[in-house]
Amino acid sequence: AQSVTQPDIHITVSEGASLELRCNYSYGATPYLFWYVQSPGQGLQLLLKYFSGDTLVQGIKGFEAEFKRSQSSFNLRKPSVHWSDAAEYFCAVGAGQAGTALIFGKGTTLSVSS
Amino acid sequence: EAQVTQNPRYLITVTGKKLTVTCSQNMNHEYMSWYRQDPGLGLRQIYYSMNVEVTDKGDVPEGYKVSRKEKRNFPLILESPSPNQTSLYFCASRSRGLANYGYTFGSGTRLTVV
Repeated sequence: AQSVTQPDIHITVSEGASLELRCNYSYGATPYLFWYVQSPGQGLQLLLKYFSGDTLVQGIKGFEAEFKRSQSSFNLRKPSVHWSDAAEYFCAVGAGQAGTALIFGKGTTLSVSS
Repeated sequence: EAQVTQNPRYLITVTGKKLTVTCSQNMNHEYMSWYRQDPGLGLRQIYYSMNVEVTDKGDVPEGYKVSRKEKRNFPLILESPSPNQTSLYFCASRSRGLANYGYTFGSGTRLTVV
C-alpha cells in the first residue's frame, strides 16, 4: 500500500539558516509527489510537485525539492529560512483511481527562531 | 479569484443532530474531495467525486455522506454526528489531467461534536 513518512515531527531552525524537511514514500509505480504548507488556521497551499523529468523541482516561496528514486525520498529544501516560513509542512503522494487521492504524511511542524 | 469555499468555518453541534458542510469551487474542476485532519494522523480522504453524480469512498467514509448534483458543489453530510467526528475538514478540487494533479484546498471547517 502507498504510504508517506515524514520522520521529523518538529524542527526548529534559526532565521536565515538552511532547511531540509525529509519525506520518504512507498509506492509501486512512478510516484506523483507533492509538498504542501499549512499556516496556522489556514488551508493547505501547494508548494511544488514532481511528476517526471528533472529530479530537482522548484516551487513557490523559494522552496525546492529533490526526487531520489533510489532512496524513495522527496526532501524539501530552502537555502535561507524566513520567520514567515513557520508552518506545518506535508508531503503527499498521488494515488487512487486516476489520481483522485493524495496520501499524506503526518506532517512536520517548522518553528523559526530569531 | 480561483478558490474553494467551505462553510461554515467553525461549527459546534450536538451528537445526533444532522449537519451539512458546504463546499463550492469556481474553477470548473471535475474532481472534488473531502479530507479530515486529526492530530498525529495527518489528512485522510473521506470521499471523492470524479464528476457530477460520480462519487466514491475514500479511506475513512464511515458516518459521512456526499452528493455531487452540480459540478461546482460537493457538500459533506453527517446524518448523525458523533464526538469521534470532531475534526478539521478540508474540501479540495482539481481538474482532470496530469498537469493539474495537485488539489486546491479550501480554508477548512473546524467541527466540534459534543
